[in-house]
Amino acid sequence: GQQVMQIPQYQHVQEGEDFTTYCNSSTTLSNIQWYKQRPGGHPVFLIQLVKSGEVKKQKRLTFQFGEAKKNSSLHITATQTTDVGTYFCAGRRFGNEKLTFGTGTRLTIIP
Amino acid sequence: GAGVSQTPSNKVTEKGKYVELRCDPISGHTALYWYRQSLGQGPEFLIYFQGTGAADDSGLPNDRFFAVRPEGSVSTLKIQRTERGDSAVYLCASSIGQDDGYTFGSGTRLTVV
Repeated sequence: GQQVMQIPQYQHVQEGEDFTTYCNSSTTLSNIQWYKQRPGGHPVFLIQLVKSGEVKKQKRLTFQFGEAKKNSSLHITATQTTDVGTYFCAGRRFGNEKLTFGTGTRLTIIP
Repeated sequence: GAGVSQTPSNKVTEKGKYVELRCDPISGHTALYWYRQSLGQGPEFLIYFQGTGAADDSGLPNDRFFAVRPEGSVSTLKIQRTERGDSAVYLCASSIGQDDGYTFGSGTRLTVV
């Protein structure tokens, strides 16, 4: 079945440093979504990428979808304590409506 | 409602008992999803409804798990003969359409003792 892996599993950064998480799918995707889950909370939708090579920005967050539509990345510039949480990518295959979530990257910030 | 509502927020049950978990999606959202999340892992797909019908139930682990959405709004996830391995947070999500982002509820934490 479809597998979606993320690296790293954990990332500890000093406040103000940048952070990147990478997402890789075993199959080509029709689209990919990113979610953030705060400790003790539920996943919150951040963004969806659809086109090959697409890049989208939300303030300090930059999302990329790979040319082959099998990988994606999320980059946060100048992290803040509010960025703490686990970031999940979730991919959807062509002709299949369900989202398969990745393994997640847990970000902690050292003040 | 303003968000996806799940009840109960916590459920402790004895092994072998039957449980029902309820999800009230955002009004007008036709797509409804159930996921299960274990500690330190990503949400695992269980079942997806488009309207009243289960469009994809391939994630249900076995025949002890069943879900319904009789009127295309509220959904109930039913687990028979619960086992300790069923302990997890059960998340419900809804979306306007099948290509849109999901809005998740706060989840039901199920503990089987």
